[in-house]
Amino acid sequence: DGGITQSPKYLFRKEGQNVTLSCEQNLNHDAMYWYRQDPGQGLRLIYYSQIVNDFQKGDIAEGYSVSREKKESFPLTVTSAQKNPTAFYLCASSLRALRTSGRREQFFGPGTRLTVL
Amino acid sequence: AQSVSQHNHHVILSEAASLELGCNYSYGGTVNLFWYVQYPGQHLQLLLKYFSGDPLVKGIKGFEAEFIKSKFSFNLRKPSVQWSDTAEYFCAVWDDYKLSFGAGTTVTVRA
Repeated sequence: DGGITQSPKYLFRKEGQNVTLSCEQNLNHDAMYWYRQDPGQGLRLIYYSQIVNDFQKGDIAEGYSVSREKKESFPLTVTSAQKNPTAFYLCASSLRALRTSGRREQFFGPGTRLTVL
Repeated sequence: AQSVSQHNHHVILSEAASLELGCNYSYGGTVNLFWYVQYPGQHLQLLLKYFSGDPLVKGIKGFEAEFIKSKFSFNLRKPSVQWSDTAEYFCAVWDDYKLSFGAGTTVTVRA
């Protein structure tokens, strides 16, 4: 089955700890994205990556870090510097977008709900 | 950068009622527009998309959307909703190398 998997589904963290959220896709997509979803705020982009070994900050990158060592994997680390990390985190992937041809539907994973205790 | 406005935060309606959700984006030119839906406990999934051509776009589950360039709008409609349409709906516009999403509209359909 082709798709995007995220793990874990639920994650609890103590204040001051870093945690890493996993995202794996087998759709052979070049581009991958991390969003944060908060009630009433929609989806806000944290980081995105167009190709392996390259990634860019999104709108709310502070307190987060990513890596893209493999095409199919794009883990997100929520660091202790993130002031309000409790949220629902969504990973997505798409074919590579070009500036002149943004015709890229994004496919989403099931999400990870992070709670800071 | 594009911004997306969804006019309704929460819509409550009865089964068989008609639904229209508003969506406006901030600036023109060539736009690629999407509506996504998130049913309770499920993945975010694509309802429909507009790239070019006929401004009236049909999607899954009886939904349609109309692109009106002069109004920078892409409103979602369904003539007769069902209880199973209870979900959160997001409008999105392609913005450079990424999607910009609206804040979402929660739709509750009462049986």
